[in-house]
Amino acid sequence: DAGVIQSPRHEVTEMGQEVTLRCKPISGHNSLFWYRQTMMRGLELLIYFNNNVPIDDSGMPEDRFSAKMPNASFSTLKIQPSEPRDSAVYFCASSLLGLAVNEQFFGPGTRLTVL
Amino acid sequence: AQSVTQLGSHVSVSEGALVLLRCNYSSSVPPYLFWYVQYPNQGLQLLLKYTSAATLVKGINGFEAEFKKSETSFHLTKPSAHMSDAAEYFCAVSVAGGTSYGKLTFGQGTILTVHP
Repeated sequence: DAGVIQSPRHEVTEMGQEVTLRCKPISGHNSLFWYRQTMMRGLELLIYFNNNVPIDDSGMPEDRFSAKMPNASFSTLKIQPSEPRDSAVYFCASSLLGLAVNEQFFGPGTRLTVL
Repeated sequence: AQSVTQLGSHVSVSEGALVLLRCNYSSSVPPYLFWYVQYPNQGLQLLLKYTSAATLVKGINGFEAEFKKSETSFHLTKPSAHMSDAAEYFCAVSVAGGTSYGKLTFGQGTILTVHP
């Protein structure tokens, strides 16, 4: 398996622009998670989906952030409009959740820089 | 709600020395516990996980961790450090049930430096 795939790996944009981050989870996994990592705040869970349905979006910073999962093999995280404080590494992870909690598999991340 | 505290944001050891990274958790229900490693400019990789089977868990790269309920701890150890172990390590907790089902709560991370 190719693992969790994220694109782009790096994104540099200007304040006010729309940014879309993409994620392809591992085939067969039923849960997908979006995280943000910064030096100041560490790893933060933004939102997670189970069977393509958003379960918990309490970590989404504000209305500028939105996430979708139109099918089991694709998810997007959109920031509109972007701000310099959104600069961070964004990770997508997937997992197979059932009766037990299994580990999450992380993608390589997207490094976002907002100028 | 669950939480994790990693004692020591930076740990430095000599090559060949014992590695000990500390993790304490808080959970009102039996937890699932994980250790992840992150190398520079990479995603997180699972080292090992505790899922209530055995209290001593062996992982990849010679690491192991022991679940101690009485101490609410899940410390990570390796008998002999190698230069390639230099990375950031994260402890995480999850539970099977309730509104937090499947969510990982991470500690703040511990950066391990290995000196020659």
